[in-house]
Amino acid sequence: QKEVEQNSGPLSVPEGAIASLNCTYSDRGSQSFFWYRQYSGKSPELIMSIYSNGDKEDGRFTAQLNKASQYVSLLIRDSQPSDSATYLCAVGLTGNQFYFGTGTSLTVIP
Amino acid sequence: DVKVTQSSRYLVKRTGEKVFLECVQDMDHENMFWYRQDPGLGLRLIYFSYDVKMKEKGDIPEGYSVSREKKERFSLILESASTNQTSMYLCASSLGLAAYNEQFFGPGTRLTVL
Repeated sequence: QKEVEQNSGPLSVPEGAIASLNCTYSDRGSQSFFWYRQYSGKSPELIMSIYSNGDKEDGRFTAQLNKASQYVSLLIRDSQPSDSATYLCAVGLTGNQFYFGTGTSLTVIP
Repeated sequence: DVKVTQSSRYLVKRTGEKVFLECVQDMDHENMFWYRQDPGLGLRLIYFSYDVKMKEKGDIPEGYSVSREKKERFSLILESASTNQTSMYLCASSLGLAAYNEQFFGPGTRLTVL
């Protein structure tokens, strides 16, 4: 079993819709959770970090964490074609122990 | 802003060559990382360093070595390049422990081994 699992997609949504990206993790001791965006041919960049249960909003992005169910999700409201990218989920356990998922490819259709 | 730079964007080498990939960060970060990224496999950690001259193996260290002589610089060395090391190599750095802190990535080096 992988430490961090993401549906590879591709996920396609029409422009203006809500895109929902999900990530599950296996270690209940996980303490921190990150969403990175990676455009094709570019390096990952951080969108959101979340450390406690519940929702965290930043502009059009909302991260949701449910530690009991061991999942973290990223919602993108009013999706734009510029949101088309691969989204990587990363989970931190302790110290320098962390894991990346393989990413979900999102395409926003104009 | 944190800036992580890598010595080359594209590199072509021949099998058996010794290859050096260099990474420099300008924000005094303790931690630095080397990953490779391949389609369908995601980011895989090769080595990381939490201090000068300190290093830890990641998930796939075989065929690689690293050097960190100065805090800002972390080098990845392919002692004898092989075709299965053709990949995108990404360097990253973080302030403090990676489990709790954002990693800042360099632009990547696409290495082709012929």
